[in-house]
Amino acid sequence: DAGVTQSPTHLIKTRGQQVTLRCSPKSGHDTVSWYQQALGQGPQFIFQYYEEEERQRGNFPDRFSGHQFPNYSSELNVNALLLGDSALYLCASSYPLGSDTIYFGEGSWLTVV
Amino acid sequence: QQPVQSPQAVILREGEDAVINCSSSKALYSVHWYRQKHGEAPVFLMILLKGGEQKGHEKISASFNEKKQQSSLYLTASQLSYSGTYFCGTPEINSGGSNYKLTFGKGTLLTVNP
Repeated sequence: DAGVTQSPTHLIKTRGQQVTLRCSPKSGHDTVSWYQQALGQGPQFIFQYYEEEERQRGNFPDRFSGHQFPNYSSELNVNALLLGDSALYLCASSYPLGSDTIYFGEGSWLTVV
Repeated sequence: QQPVQSPQAVILREGEDAVINCSSSKALYSVHWYRQKHGEAPVFLMILLKGGEQKGHEKISASFNEKKQQSSLYLTASQLSYSGTYFCGTPEINSGGSNYKLTFGKGTLLTVNP
C-alpha cells in the first residue's frame, strides 16, 4: 500500500521565482492538507483540500495557493518566493474528511536563495 | 494556540526511560503524537482520544488528562531507534464540527546513546 508520495524531494529556487510541489495521497484518502515546517519548528498548517476545493486555510499569504485534482492528488504553488519560504513542505492525507488521523509524506525540501 | 511541550530536549542511554509532556491552554478532545527523524517526515505514533481510547501502533504508551488539558508520552527501555524529535499535535475544529488541522508544539528532541 503506497503511502503519501511527494515530488520533488529537494529543490533550490531563486527569490522571486515560483514553485510547484506535488502530492499523491495515500490510497483511499480523499483529503489533502499541506504543512510548512521551518527548521527547528513543528509543522504549520497551510490549507486543506477536499472535493477539489480549498476547505480551510491557515495564516499564510495569497502567494500560497493550491489545487486538488479529480484523482485526489494535489499541488502547492508558491509565487514570488522569499528567503523565508525555505522550509520542508509536507503533504498529509486522510479519510474521511475530519478524520483524526493524518499521514504525512516525506516532504519537499525547498531552499530559496 | 500552540501546545507547549517539555522538556525541549532529553538525552538518554539505551534502556533508560523518558517522559515527554504536552499541555494546551484550550479544551482538548484528542492529542496526536508524531516522531520525526532528522531529514525525514513526521511519522504517526499515537492518538489519544477523549474518554481514554488510544489508537497507535508503536510500543510506546501515553496518557491524556482531559481536565488538565495535558498528555504525556512514555518511552520505556529506550532503544537507539527512538531518537528523534517528538511532536504533539492538537486538533482544530471547523464550523462544521470536523477536525481539519493539527497545531503542533515545537517538539522535544530525544537522543538515545549506546
